[in-house]
This record gives sequence, C-alpha cells and structure tokens, in this order.
Amino acid sequence: DTAVSQTPKYLVTQMGNDKSIKCEQNLGHDTMYWYKQDSKKFLKIMFSYNNKELIINETVPNRFSPKSPDKAHLNLHINSLELGDSAVYFCASAREGQGAYEQYFGPGTRLTVT
Amino acid sequence: KNEVEQSPQNLTAQEGEFITINCSYSVGISALHWLQQHPGGGIVSLFMLSSGKKKHGRLIATINIQEKHSSLHITASHPRDSAVYICAVRLGTSGSRLTFGEGTQLTVNP
Repeated sequence: DTAVSQTPKYLVTQMGNDKSIKCEQNLGHDTMYWYKQDSKKFLKIMFSYNNKELIINETVPNRFSPKSPDKAHLNLHINSLELGDSAVYFCASAREGQGAYEQYFGPGTRLTVT
Repeated sequence: KNEVEQSPQNLTAQEGEFITINCSYSVGISALHWLQQHPGGGIVSLFMLSSGKKKHGRLIATINIQEKHSSLHITASHPRDSAVYICAVRLGTSGSRLTFGEGTQLTVNP
C-alpha cells in the first residue's frame, strides 16, 4: 500500500503549457505539503494545506495554484509553464496536532519544461 | 545565509567506517528531522527529534538544543547507505513548515 502517491512520476512539456500534478495520501493525515527540489537538490516549501485549508503559501508565482478537494488529496496546477519551473516536486503529508510529527513524502514528480 | 547549515557537503567513506554528518541551525525550533534521499529520488524520514538522542539500527541522531546543533551518525557503514542525507528543522514560530539544509552526499565504497 502506497502511503503518499503522486502522478505522474515524469512530466515533459513545452513552455507556455498548463499542467497538473496529483497527490493522494491514505494515511488519514490532516496536513499536506508541496515542496520543490531544484537542480542542486535543495528542497523548499511551496504550500501547505490543513483539512483543505491553505495554511502556508510561500513566495511562489501565482501561476502555481494548489487545490485540495478533500483532506486526502492535494493537487498542484501550474499555468504558463516556464523553463525555470523544471524541478522535482514532492508532495508530503503529516498528522498535525500538539507537537511535531514525521512527514511522509511521495515519490516525486520530475517536471521538465522545454 | 541559510538558516540550516550542513557539513560536510560531500563525504566519501570506506565500508565499515563510522560516519558523522553535522547540522547547525540559527533559529528556535520545535523539532529537527533527518531525511534520506536515495539515488532513485525517494525521500524517507529517518528521525524526528526535539531533544536528546534516538537510535534506529546502525543510525544514531543526537541534538543539542542549547548549541543549536544535531549530528547523524552511521556505524559500520555499508555501500547501501550511499544517499543524500538532509537535515530539516521545524521552526518554532512558523507552524508546520520545514526548512531544509542543502544535504550531504554520502558515498560508501566497498
């Protein structure tokens, strides 16, 4: 059973296109995240949702729009793709409440914009 | 300057060696995570700690809150330990976000 799954695993597209990456978790967690890993392997938070509500929105171009239809899903839609959007995007989830909890990561989606 | 600094950036060891990776941070935190990223790209959480020491198999993680420093140790290293090890901190005042170090690329040769 996959805890956090992402589709697609690879995405190659041209500049200017619109694309979506889907994420689903079956752990019953309340909070989900999107992270971007650049070519130097540096991870950075993009968004966080708790029970379908946006709680973290880092300085990300508004071409990126997360959507959480329910607390098990957090999708990432990207409009007008640019070369600089090429990266690996990781979804993660965690149980939230008093204290801190481990985050569980999806396998990543490697986006290549040509 | 990144709020989370890791050292070394790259580490090559011979099988069987004892390995230490260091992480220093400059802000108050509520927890520190050690993550492992394998060559295939997947990220796995190894430890989450807010004080003291944790051990899992050949891996040991320690944290000193006063010194704002954590170490990840690998005993009897093996080529399958080759991966990128990432330190991440959960900032005390910023809810659940993680701030990441730049990672340490570990290569263990047979």
